[in-house]
Amino acid sequence: GAVVSQHPSRVICKSGTSVKIECRSLDFQATTMFWYRQFPKQSLMLMATSNEGSKATYEQGVEKDKFLINHASLTLSTLTVTSAHPEDSSFYICSSKTESYGYTFGSGTRLTVV
Amino acid sequence: DAKTTQPNSMESNEEEPVHLPCNHSTISGTDYIHWYRQLPSQGPEYVIHGLTSNVNNRMASLAIAEDRKSSTLILHRATLRDAAVYYCMMDSNYQLIWGAGTKLIIKP
Repeated sequence: GAVVSQHPSRVICKSGTSVKIECRSLDFQATTMFWYRQFPKQSLMLMATSNEGSKATYEQGVEKDKFLINHASLTLSTLTVTSAHPEDSSFYICSSKTESYGYTFGSGTRLTVV
Repeated sequence: DAKTTQPNSMESNEEEPVHLPCNHSTISGTDYIHWYRQLPSQGPEYVIHGLTSNVNNRMASLAIAEDRKSSTLILHRATLRDAAVYYCMMDSNYQLIWGAGTKLIIKP
C-alpha cells in the first residue's frame, strides 16, 4: 500500500518553456507532499513542502515563483517549473508521509532542458 | 546544525550480512531514524524506520544505539539486488535531515 504515482518519468523541454510534474497518492490521502530535487551522485535536496489547501513552504534559496506548487486535493500535488533553463535540469521527486511505511516516494521525473 | 553522516561506499560479498552505519549525534528524543534505498533513476524505496528499539522487517533490521546517536542498517543476507545507495534520515517532526548516502556494492 501507500503508493505515490509520479508523471512524467522523463521530459525534455526547450529553454523558456514550463513543465508540470504530477504526483498522485493512489491508496491514501496525502495531506503533505514533499518535493525534492537531486543532482547526480548527490543526496536528496528538499525544495518545498506542500499542504493540501494551503500555500507551499519553500526551503531557503528555492524560488517560489519559478517552482510553482499546487496541492488542491488530498490525492494530487503538482510542481510546475516555469521558464525552465538548462540549470533546472535535474531529477525531481515527490514524497508523502504514510501511517505505517515512513515516507513513500514517487518514481521521479528526469527533467532535461535544452 | 543537525547532521546525518554515512560512509560514501561499502562493499560486501553476496549472501553475506551487511552492516551499514549512520551517525546522527544531534538527534533529539522524538526524532525518528529512517532508512531508504535508491536505484539509479528511481525514487527512494522505504526500508525501515524506528525510534528507540531495534526493529525488524522482511527487508532488514535496524539496530539503534542506546544513546541513539548512531544506528546500523543490517541486511542479513545480501543479494545482487540489494546493490543501491542507502540513505539514513532523521525525521524531526517533518524536518528531514538526509545523509549523503552509502553506495553498497555487492560482489558476486
